[in-house]
Amino acid sequence: NAGVMQNPRHLVRRRGQEARLRCSPMKGHSHVYWYRQLPEEGLKFMVYLQKENIIDESGMPKERFSAEFPKEGPSILRIQQVVRGDSAAYFCASSLGLAGVRGDTQYFGPGTRLTVL
Amino acid sequence: RKEVEQDPGPFNVPEGATVAFNCTYSNSASQSFFWYRQDCRKEPKLLMSVYSSGNEDGRFTAQLNRASQYISLLIRDSKLSDSATYLCVVNSSGGSYIPTFGRGTSLIVHP
Repeated sequence: NAGVMQNPRHLVRRRGQEARLRCSPMKGHSHVYWYRQLPEEGLKFMVYLQKENIIDESGMPKERFSAEFPKEGPSILRIQQVVRGDSAAYFCASSLGLAGVRGDTQYFGPGTRLTVL
Repeated sequence: RKEVEQDPGPFNVPEGATVAFNCTYSNSASQSFFWYRQDCRKEPKLLMSVYSSGNEDGRFTAQLNRASQYISLLIRDSKLSDSATYLCVVNSSGGSYIPTFGRGTSLIVHP
């Protein structure tokens, strides 16, 4: 059973370009979470999705950021018109059920390290 | 007060030492608790769940104190390979589906 997969592992973009980060959850998992981690900082929640639904996006910046988890294919975190402050590690996690309510374990992908030049 | 608080450290200990970390949480309705380990530039990995009765896994012991709203992690006979950041995670009921991560406690085990 493959773990959570993220690609690319490293992404370099110039200011103003778009960044697309992909996350394939563990097999059988339908709950996906995106987190951002700045250097020397903790994990900051961004968005929680289930298939075709955004459940909670309270941690997502209002502009330039969007996320989706289509019926088929990976979850995508999209950052438009990137700025230097977007440089960070972006981690995706998946769980079998509701990690918050049922306490199901979250499993993390290896992350995508975004560098904005 | 932050939802989940941890002493960032670093905790510098020699091999073989016993070290303990605490993590306090503010939401008394919190339901489940975990410790994760994160190595430098790697993803967090589940270390252990924390049960009400406390639980032990080899050299690691986790405890929950609901009255004082904290969880603890005890590491006995520290190894060099234990050097990492230890993240406390608290899940709350009442409509919030989002596990809340502490900022982490850095542990450095030296020879």
